[in-house]
Amino acid sequence: AQRVTQPEKLLSVFKGAPVELKCNYSYSGSPELFWYVQYSRQRLQLLLRHISRESIKGFTADLNKGETSFHLKKPFAQEEDSAMYYCALSGQGAQKLVFGQGTRLTINP
Amino acid sequence: DTGVSQDPRHKITKRGQNVTFRCDPISEHNRLYWYRQTLGQGPEFLTYFQNEAQLEKSRLLSDRFSAERPKGSFSTLEIQRTEQGDSAMYLCASSGRSNRQFFGPGTRLTVL
Repeated sequence: AQRVTQPEKLLSVFKGAPVELKCNYSYSGSPELFWYVQYSRQRLQLLLRHISRESIKGFTADLNKGETSFHLKKPFAQEEDSAMYYCALSGQGAQKLVFGQGTRLTINP
Repeated sequence: DTGVSQDPRHKITKRGQNVTFRCDPISEHNRLYWYRQTLGQGPEFLTYFQNEAQLEKSRLLSDRFSAERPKGSFSTLEIQRTEQGDSAMYLCASSGRSNRQFFGPGTRLTVL
């Protein structure tokens, strides 16, 4: 079964502190992993995908196949990072996305 | 704005009525997806088109739900005999050759 688990519904950190949003998945095969972000009053948008191995807005995520995890990290949180974050997976190729429940990240000044 | 657009943005209807939503994808995208999102949950997949062909449907898509993409461009999602449990945000997304899906703003449905 395809499943994405984000164990934290809410996460609150202070500005300048490190941030880690957890994501675990189950999938038989080699999935593609994504992080999507939704800022207040905006549409869902792609933050990063594991195959790109890129850093966007200071965020990185490493796919750990052994632990079936794809945690999102940022060394120094900024207030504009406050948003809803969703981890998602899909099979190889253009297929449906399976989303986690989401984590609401709040950065306190 | 050349992003994915959805119409209407909000719909309030009475139980038992039929509703239809429209999605216009990014023009060069041949893949189109519908998702449903309820409060406190992530989006859940409903159905997927490649051009005009509907290639996958979720078990969530009961026989009261039907989706079309007649010319491989815009898509419609119709819900017949709406129920209160259908109240949700309905999201449309499109993608091109890559698996990067671009989402629309959603249609919020409230069934009274």
